[in-house]
Amino acid sequence: AQSVTQPDIHITVSEGASLELRCNYSYGATPYLFWYVQSPGQGLQLLLKYFSGDTLVQGIKGFEAEFKRSQSSFNLRKPSVHWSDAAEYFCAVGAYSGAGSYQLTFGKGTKLSVIP
Amino acid sequence: EAQVTQNPRYLITVTGKKLTVTCSQNMNHEYMSWYRQDPGLGLRQIYYSMNVEVTDKGDVPEGYKVSRKEKRNFPLILESPSPNQTSLYFCASSYLDRGVPEAFFGQGTRLTVV
Repeated sequence: AQSVTQPDIHITVSEGASLELRCNYSYGATPYLFWYVQSPGQGLQLLLKYFSGDTLVQGIKGFEAEFKRSQSSFNLRKPSVHWSDAAEYFCAVGAYSGAGSYQLTFGKGTKLSVIP
Repeated sequence: EAQVTQNPRYLITVTGKKLTVTCSQNMNHEYMSWYRQDPGLGLRQIYYSMNVEVTDKGDVPEGYKVSRKEKRNFPLILESPSPNQTSLYFCASSYLDRGVPEAFFGQGTRLTVV
């Protein structure tokens, strides 16, 4: 079974500073990897995803993530954070089982606070 | 507008009183799923459905039931709710992007069981 670890529960950055949110996964084959963002009182919105190919993927709102197989990581980055980026961020890994069923497993989330 | 609609958004109920949270999608997606979100635990999958009449357990199915009689609807049923089912629930509907489900989430249902 797959699993996801987000080592940082809470991160605080200043507006305009760069951001990196860490995500490590455990899965035997090539995983399908996702980053979601959840603003207070809202549902989850997909930021970006990796299935195959180029290991650096671009997403919405200026976010990018890099898949590193050797490190089993899929870290999310943004060069300059805006106050509106304050939210909770979830990394997720999806995988098909041998029986053809599909499961999406989430990390516990990283809450991002932005200081003006 | 493409959306996943959950009802109700907020619900307070008493222990043991059966309830149903509805989920409907208008995107003709085959794959739907239910998650619960608890502080410090992230989202955990309760049940999922690959298509009509095809459902399977996720990571935390105990105390829940689902049905998928038609493609657009995937209700979550709590036959006898207990306080440990107090949580924020999300329904998701997925389309296949290169064979991989990409999930769209509803706005959530906050359930309190007293």
